[in-house]
Amino acid sequence: NAGVTQTPKFQVLKTGQSMTLQCAQDMNHNSMYWYRQDPGMGLRLIYYSASEGTTDKGEVPNGYNVSRLNKREFSLRLESAAPSQTSVYFCASSPGVANYGYTFGSGTRLTVV
Amino acid sequence: DQQVKQNSPSLSVQEGRISILNCDYTNSMFDYFLWYKKYPAEGPTFLISISSIKDKNEDGRFTVFLNKSAKHLSLHIVPSQPGDSAVYFCAASLMNTGTASKLTFGTGTRLQVTL
Repeated sequence: NAGVTQTPKFQVLKTGQSMTLQCAQDMNHNSMYWYRQDPGMGLRLIYYSASEGTTDKGEVPNGYNVSRLNKREFSLRLESAAPSQTSVYFCASSPGVANYGYTFGSGTRLTVV
Repeated sequence: DQQVKQNSPSLSVQEGRISILNCDYTNSMFDYFLWYKKYPAEGPTFLISISSIKDKNEDGRFTVFLNKSAKHLSLHIVPSQPGDSAVYFCAASLMNTGTASKLTFGTGTRLQVTL
């Protein structure tokens, strides 16, 4: 039982390059989330998907796009990477509304040079 | 504007003693609070939670206290063990908003339990 799987685990990008972070969960959860973790800033919500077919902006959505491909998969895309997007990215899932049993992936460490 | 604050970036406690981690929030509409634990190179894992209708919730060595008038919650770990060494995040949310269960996280406190 893998839980939440994120790929890749590490990535180095040059400024202006694009990439997609992949996330998949096998717990039949309805809701999925993308957070970033920065020193002194905690975890900040980028985008979330309450259920399959819906996506909404979180606290820091600028520079990102998301796709809820199906119930299992929720990807995060950086169209033109900037050094300010250097961070650790976490994907999480939860059963649904008013259920805070988040399961997090192990994270993607992204460096933009 | 940081709505959930953990003012102590780090805490060191001797094994066997009590660890107290603190968290303050500014949004009086928050009505559900959680603590997550994070080890290096891993994602956060859920530890314990409390609803605003309660002032205390206990689970084994972990107890969370909520003081709504002060907008303050704390996590007590008794007795502390070396395996408790990790970063602890508090988080808050609004229940029953009709959307996904979004959490607002604090900045984290690194706990080190020494022998």
